[in-house]
Amino acid sequence: EVQLVESGGGLVQPGRSLKLSCVASGFTFNNYWMTWIRQAPGKGLEWVASITNTGGSTYYPDSVKGRFTISRDNAKSTLYLQMNSLRSEDTATYYCTRDWDYWGQGVMVTVSS
Amino acid sequence: DVVMTQTPPSLSVAIGQSVSISCKSSQSLVASDKNTYLNWLLQSPGRSPKRLIYQVSKLDSGVPDRFSGSGSEKDFTLKISRVEAEDLGVYYCLQGTHLPLTFGSGTKLEIK
Repeated sequence: EVQLVESGGGLVQPGRSLKLSCVASGFTFNNYWMTWIRQAPGKGLEWVASITNTGGSTYYPDSVKGRFTISRDNAKSTLYLQMNSLRSEDTATYYCTRDWDYWGQGVMVTVSS
Repeated sequence: DVVMTQTPPSLSVAIGQSVSISCKSSQSLVASDKNTYLNWLLQSPGRSPKRLIYQVSKLDSGVPDRFSGSGSEKDFTLKISRVEAEDLGVYYCLQGTHLPLTFGSGTKLEIK
């Protein structure tokens, strides 16, 4: 059974950093691109970052480019999202997804003083 | 950025009725490999999103054939035949052809 389990969320002050993890199981992790998506409270879905199966290439929208870094450890079947210089508008539930067909349960990140 | 215009924003339907949701993109979604990367997702209340359809019309495993996708280039439609109670939630279209990847604003389906 494919499972994606996110962790690392919480309350953080503006300007600080947070690192999310997504542990994958039930499939060959290094065969798939992986993506982070977020959803602000009561809002729609927003793409945050994607990474190729080898980790050789990463992609970001302008809203997080230069502040967020997606990475992966294929030996540990784990996806990461390092979030720096956090802003209030980064407050959201963050989901990891395998190629859009499987999603984690989401982890809440709240940026507030 | 590709803008995905999704309509209507909400729908209220009775069990057994059919509904259609439209998604129009500001650019053609035909990729250089000739595939069209248009997905439909459903987010049921309190749940993570779930993909229903990929590449315009291909149903994900386990998705009832009451769901169907159609369209091409810039104009796409999700149709749900014989709506059931479990179909309630917010439907999103998602284009995967152009960076940045972009979603429609969602269509909330309610059951009368």
